[in-house]
Amino acid sequence: DIVMTQSPDSLAVSLGERATINCKSSQSVLHSANNKNYLAWYQQKQGQPPKLLIYWASTRESGVPNRISGSGSGTDFTLTISSLQAEDVAVYYCQQYYHLPSFGGGTKVEIK
Amino acid sequence: QVQLVQSGAEVKKPGASVKVSCKASGYTFANYVIHWVRQAPGQRLEWMGWINAGNGNIKYSKKFQGRVTFTRDTSASTVYMDLSSLRSEDTAVYYCARDKERQPLMYYLDYWGQGTLVTVSS
Repeated sequence: DIVMTQSPDSLAVSLGERATINCKSSQSVLHSANNKNYLAWYQQKQGQPPKLLIYWASTRESGVPNRISGSGSGTDFTLTISSLQAEDVAVYYCQQYYHLPSFGGGTKVEIK
Repeated sequence: QVQLVQSGAEVKKPGASVKVSCKASGYTFANYVIHWVRQAPGQRLEWMGWINAGNGNIKYSKKFQGRVTFTRDTSASTVYMDLSSLRSEDTAVYYCARDKERQPLMYYLDYWGQGTLVTVSS
């Protein structure tokens, strides 16, 4: 099984500042056949289901603001919110789908 | 618009079974796979398996195999998750979610139900 580890567990960022969330997989999720990273990111606000933000490590889902971006390859990935807005307060999860899906432990983003 | 609407909260005793429904609308039901994911209090999201709403094919996570059953009713555009031999550790919010891709299955999930809280307590 692929284990996903996120860091930090939580972070507090001022409005308008950058938030950076890290995700590390226990083995590479880069598929050599298509050179794609099998990695997604979700946002979960309090009392709501998760919302898909990013897939293939960097492809933004329709409707996701371009201040939210994903990067990385192999085993190390990053979700960046370039200019934090109040509506970005949530828990963020990474998920690999290289093998049967597994999720990271989540990173809680708050306003400083 | 695409919607997945789940059945309401349940309270069950240890050893009992629970059946959660997930009704789909706003798209062609048979064209997509529905996954089940659960979230226990303070725990990470946990994938349970999927059912192909069209042909009925199923895959279960090894962790739940033997204890979970997925079914579907195409006439009602509804899928069901049945979990048996419940224990306290099964207390969680259970979500259904649609695979974003039709073919091949990709395991990233674009629409989610609102969640169903299942509480297992004596």
